[in-house]
Amino acid sequence: NAGVTQTPKFQVLKTGQSMTLQCAQDMNHEYMSWYRQDPGMGLRLIHYSVGAGITDQGEVPNGYNVSRSTTEDFPLRLLSAAPSQTSVYFCASSYSNRGRDTQYFGPGTRLTVL
Amino acid sequence: GQQVMQIPQYQHVQEGEDFTTYCNSSTTLSNIQWYKQRPGGHPVFLIQLVKSGEVKKQKRLTFQFGEAKKNSSLHITATQTTDVGTYFCAETLNTGNQFYFGTGTSLTVIP
Repeated sequence: NAGVTQTPKFQVLKTGQSMTLQCAQDMNHEYMSWYRQDPGMGLRLIHYSVGAGITDQGEVPNGYNVSRSTTEDFPLRLLSAAPSQTSVYFCASSYSNRGRDTQYFGPGTRLTVL
Repeated sequence: GQQVMQIPQYQHVQEGEDFTTYCNSSTTLSNIQWYKQRPGGHPVFLIQLVKSGEVKKQKRLTFQFGEAKKNSSLHITATQTTDVGTYFCAETLNTGNQFYFGTGTSLTVIP
């Protein structure tokens, strides 16, 4: 099992550009989520999905879109990048959404918006 | 959003000293999880506490869940350089759909 994979590892964007961060898992997990990590602020939930076709907003969803067309993939889209979106982005998955399952994190994408 | 306060934000210790980080919530928790993130890495699950007053140990690490299920602590005995990293607690509400992470405690161990 590859676990949770994320691409790219690093990305530099200019303000206003759009891009998609990719996330995939091969563990047949129902629950997937996206977090951003900023210094001193821990991990903040952006969007999450409890299964294919179902997504919902987390704590900081503005400026981001997600979709879940398959169990395996959960891409995160930045529609018009802003410097405030400079951060490290982590995708995570867990077996279910019961809140008591281990979350497995991908290696992260380090995004800089100029 | 849910506030998960974690203290201290930073801790520097000499190798061999003990270390403790605390996690406090404004509401009663269903359960709490602890994660460790090495520098440049991603969070890795350590343990989960579910029951009121629960205590679990992993070698030199001791995890506690408060009697009121509103706070938790992680204690490391005799720190080693391999303990370096940031320790996060994570809580869920009873709906279980959203995890809220604490701000983390960054541990530096001085050899």
